[in-house]
Amino acid sequence: DSGVTQTPKHLITATGQRVTLRCSPRSGDLSVYWYQQSLDQGLQFLIQYYNGEERAKGNILERFSAQQFPDLHSELNLSSLELGDSALYFCASSVVEVTNTEAFFGQGTRLTVV
Amino acid sequence: AQSVAQPEDQVNVAEGNPLTVKCTYSVSGNPYLFWYVQYPNRGLQFLLKYITGDNLVKGSYGFEAEFNKSQTSFHLKKPSALVSDSALYFCAVRDPNTGRRALTFGSGTRLQVQP
Repeated sequence: DSGVTQTPKHLITATGQRVTLRCSPRSGDLSVYWYQQSLDQGLQFLIQYYNGEERAKGNILERFSAQQFPDLHSELNLSSLELGDSALYFCASSVVEVTNTEAFFGQGTRLTVV
Repeated sequence: AQSVAQPEDQVNVAEGNPLTVKCTYSVSGNPYLFWYVQYPNRGLQFLLKYITGDNLVKGSYGFEAEFNKSQTSFHLKKPSALVSDSALYFCAVRDPNTGRRALTFGSGTRLQVQP
């Protein structure tokens, strides 16, 4: 168990809908990263937050947004969902932003858009 | 830009034999390199990392990796494979010179260990 908690584990929703994925980082970790894992794209970095502030953006669509709250949990909001958004969404956390520290991953949320 | 390549989609090895999962990287400076493993329906688990120092890095579950700067490689190895090692393995890189803190992952290599 990595200590990173993601809810829900599975989510099935229809095209055009909006969903929110939640992540609780390891105790004490200030940095949260969101990744998307799909069969054809592999693991793609979406966005990073550090202590409530957005730090870096990767291949995140405009329909997607995220935030990190004062208690350090983070939410990833996906709207106007398309079939191609079906994927496994991972949250990872690390203590600080130092580049030599490893990140710890949650078990992911499997999103299926039908 | 930082990138990492895993040239093999799948590696098959018999239980008890040594295994190697290949990874090459591209960064502008000295890299920070990581290996993660993903078991079915699980998140990624950290195995080991190379930051600096000894080129041979030892990690969890008996895995080790060898950093080779001249070949820009960071291959994952284990002297004797177990059936339970069967999983998806990801190599990842950070380039400390870019300030980019997110890991860039390779496409993954599926390791199949046959009994």
